[in-house]
Amino acid sequence: DGGITQSPKYLFRKEGQNVTLSCEQNLNHDAMYWYRQDPGQGLRLIYYSQIVNDFQKGDIAEGYSVSREKKESFPLTVTSAQKNPTAFYLCASIPRDAKGGNQPQHFGDGTRLSIL
Amino acid sequence: AQSVTQPDIHITVSEGASLELRCNYSYGATPYLFWYVQSPGQGLQLLLKYFSGDTLVQGIKGFEAEFKRSQSSFNLRKPSVHWSDAAEYFCAVAFGVGNKLTFGGGTRVLVKP
Repeated sequence: DGGITQSPKYLFRKEGQNVTLSCEQNLNHDAMYWYRQDPGQGLRLIYYSQIVNDFQKGDIAEGYSVSREKKESFPLTVTSAQKNPTAFYLCASIPRDAKGGNQPQHFGDGTRLSIL
Repeated sequence: AQSVTQPDIHITVSEGASLELRCNYSYGATPYLFWYVQSPGQGLQLLLKYFSGDTLVQGIKGFEAEFKRSQSSFNLRKPSVHWSDAAEYFCAVAFGVGNKLTFGGGTRVLVKP
């Protein structure tokens, strides 16, 4: 079955360390997204990419970086500049709609990042 | 700026009772509207969506939602809840280029036996 795979499910970061969260999709979707979820705040957009080798900042991009070298992969790096990285991170993707309209995003099962 | 508000942080309902979750948005035009459900530690599952047309939309698991343009609302309803409906529910709207979603803060639903 097609879907979005996020790994690892749990991740721990030491002070001053960069960590990378993986997001892979086999849905042949063009656009991919990274969200951060904190209790009571819903989801906030970190970065998104509509095509390979291109990405844009979302609402809370500071302290994060991404790459999109392949259509199926959109890894997120949480850098040491992100001072409060403890959160649940969700990756999503969306198919290209031939009519140009919006489509619902499909989500992975998330990665929970904690500080040691 | 666009915003989405879910006024109820927590709702407790008895099994078999009806459920209504509120969602209001702020945007100059009609956005694309979604309701998602999230079980603990999991990703989000789409319940239903509204793009255009009939303002009452049916979704999965017996849920429906009604778009009211005059009230900028998109409330989610279920006539009779089951214990498995206990979860967190998110309203989301998509604005403009890039299919970016803006989410409400979520409503956590607890179902009493």
